[in-house]
Amino acid sequence: SQTIHQWPATLVQPVGSPLSLECTVEGTSNPNLYWYRQAAGRGLQLLFYSVGIGQISSEVPQNLSASRPQDRQFILSSKKLLLSDSGFYLCAWRIGTDTEAFFGQGTRLTVV
Amino acid sequence: DQQVKQNSPSLSVQEGRISILNCDYTNSMFDYFLWYKKYPAEGPTFLISISSIKDKNEDGRFTVFLNKSAKHLSLHIVPSQPGDSAVYFCAASVSNQFYFGTGTSLTVIP
Repeated sequence: SQTIHQWPATLVQPVGSPLSLECTVEGTSNPNLYWYRQAAGRGLQLLFYSVGIGQISSEVPQNLSASRPQDRQFILSSKKLLLSDSGFYLCAWRIGTDTEAFFGQGTRLTVV
Repeated sequence: DQQVKQNSPSLSVQEGRISILNCDYTNSMFDYFLWYKKYPAEGPTFLISISSIKDKNEDGRFTVFLNKSAKHLSLHIVPSQPGDSAVYFCAASVSNQFYFGTGTSLTVIP
């Protein structure tokens, strides 16, 4: 069966520090991968999606970047965190375009 | 710009009654629609979906209705149970893009 792993579960980082959140998927090949952010009291905002290794589409210009070095690995990064980067970050995967997406457990990022 | 909107941030319903959650979208190219349930500090879990070629899909207590002309989606939960209390997100997809609404917090009162 397919599983998705996201870590760390919680993270507290100072302003100006770098960020790396990792997401890996098991039990499937060639998934579409997604990064979302849920800010306090807000919906799920699509940040990046990827349809293959090295292919990244950005939805919102911001302080973050994403990379997909392997088929089932998706990384969210920042060189210098801002206070506004705080939120709940979720990774998701899906196969095809008319199916549901499956989510990881999320990372709670607090920038202080 | 928010392409998928849920205009009701919260909803309270008595146990046993019907819960109706609404969602509007702006992009007429969306061809697949979904509803998710989410608890705090967890990832959303999939509930039910509908293709744009249909106007209704039913799964147990959950029914999703799609009105393409109005660009409107709704989720009906009948009967509502206290365990249904959570935040519900609608989502819409076209090609590889997958967008979520702002969520509606449902409280089912015993």
